[in-house]
Amino acid sequence: DTGVSQDPRHKITKRGQNVTFRCDPISEHNRLYWYRQTLGQGPEFLTYFQNEAQLEKSRLLSDRFSAERPKGSFSTLEIQRTEQGDSAMYLCASSLSLGAGLTDTQYFGPGTRLTVL
Amino acid sequence: AQSVTQPDIHITVSEGASLELRCNYSYGATPYLFWYVQSPGQGLQLLLKYFSGDTLVQGIKGFEAEFKRSQSSFNLRKPSVHWSDAAEYFCAVVFMDSNYQLIWGAGTKLIIKP
Repeated sequence: DTGVSQDPRHKITKRGQNVTFRCDPISEHNRLYWYRQTLGQGPEFLTYFQNEAQLEKSRLLSDRFSAERPKGSFSTLEIQRTEQGDSAMYLCASSLSLGAGLTDTQYFGPGTRLTVL
Repeated sequence: AQSVTQPDIHITVSEGASLELRCNYSYGATPYLFWYVQSPGQGLQLLLKYFSGDTLVQGIKGFEAEFKRSQSSFNLRKPSVHWSDAAEYFCAVVFMDSNYQLIWGAGTKLIIKP
């Protein structure tokens, strides 16, 4: 178990550029989550996948954001036409679903810090 | 809307002193409760969780937390803090009627005085 990994750890970009982040979950985990965290706040849910299916998206997730998990393993989060307000830490978490009606424990990666200039 | 409140933005304690971090949640169906710790430059690490059973749960690094349903609280405690405990602590709750989504508090930053 190597834990959840994220790449890159830091990204600086200019406003209007597109960026893509990658998350590799714990290998046997079937759920994968994306969160955004700004300074002094807890994480805000963005979206989650069960295997390759994207099951839920937050209202916070504008149409400039898209996430994929094509083979049910790693996931990518893309932000198009970045804005300064997108500057934040983007966190990925994974979990092993215990079945319908049961919650599971999420394990987090180190995050990708995005700075939009 | 369901919410999680951590009333203390910052807490300062002396090394070796006891610690209690507060967490309250709004009324909802049976909650699942978590405490995570985040050190600078690190990801969120799970300290402990409560799903059911004994309301006093033990976690890693000498932390414990007690679920009090009557007070809608899940406070985190440690009898004697170490300088390495300096970090930000987040309480998170899953309400069974909220699509099993984690709802997070804003965090409490723990500062340790030597």
